[in-house]
Amino acid sequence: EPEVTQTPSHQVTQMGQEVILRCVPISNHLYFYWYRQILGQKVEFLVSFYNNEISEKSEIFDDQFSVERPDGSNFTLKIRSTKLEDSAMYFCASREGGHEQYFGPGTRLTVT
Amino acid sequence: RKEVEQDPGPFNVPEGATVAFNCTYSNSASQSFFWYRQDCRKEPKLLMSVYSSGNEDGRFTAQLNRASQYISLLIRDSKLSDSATYLCAVNLLTSGTYKYIFGTGTRLKVLA
Repeated sequence: EPEVTQTPSHQVTQMGQEVILRCVPISNHLYFYWYRQILGQKVEFLVSFYNNEISEKSEIFDDQFSVERPDGSNFTLKIRSTKLEDSAMYFCASREGGHEQYFGPGTRLTVT
Repeated sequence: RKEVEQDPGPFNVPEGATVAFNCTYSNSASQSFFWYRQDCRKEPKLLMSVYSSGNEDGRFTAQLNRASQYISLLIRDSKLSDSATYLCAVNLLTSGTYKYIFGTGTRLKVLA
C-alpha cells in the first residue's frame, strides 16, 4: 500500500539554524500539506500546496517558513533561523483529488 | 468558540464496552468530516470519512448532524487495541482551497 514517507524521523538543531524537512507524498497525489503538532497539543495546519504553489497558509506559516517541490517526488519544508518554540512533530500529508488525506510518520524536530 | 471542539477525555472503558465521542464544529460551511486515530507520538491515521447518511466500518459507526453541527463516532465491543486518541477533522473551503482543521482529540483507554 502506497504511503507518505518523511525524513529524517528525528532532527536536533541549535536555535538559529536552518532545517529542511523532507517528504515524499504518495505518487499520484496532487495536494500536499504540512502540519505541526507541539507535544500534547492539537495538529495544526501550516500550509497547503497544489500545482507548484502555495494554496493556503496559516498564521503560523510566517516568513521563517517556506515550502518547495524541487522535483516530481519530494516536498520540503524549510525553517530558517529555528526558535525553541519550533520544537514539535511536523507531519506531511497528501491527497489525491478527493478529500481524504494521508499522513506521513512525521519528523520530530528538537531545537536546543 | 473553537472551530473544532472535542472532549479531551480520557474515556476509560472496560473491554467489550460501547463508547461514543462527539465533535462539534463552528463553521456551517464545513464540507467534509473525518475521524482519525492517533497513537502516542505517531501520525494521525484515517479511520473513516463521515457522510451525511452515516457510515459503518465493522465496530465503528460515524454520524454527521449538520443541523446541530456535530459528528460522532461510536465504537462497539471495545478492544484493548482501540486505546488511542481519536481526532476529528473538518474540511473547510476557504478562498477556493480546502483547509483541514483538527480537534484536540479525545483520549480513549480500554481497560482489561
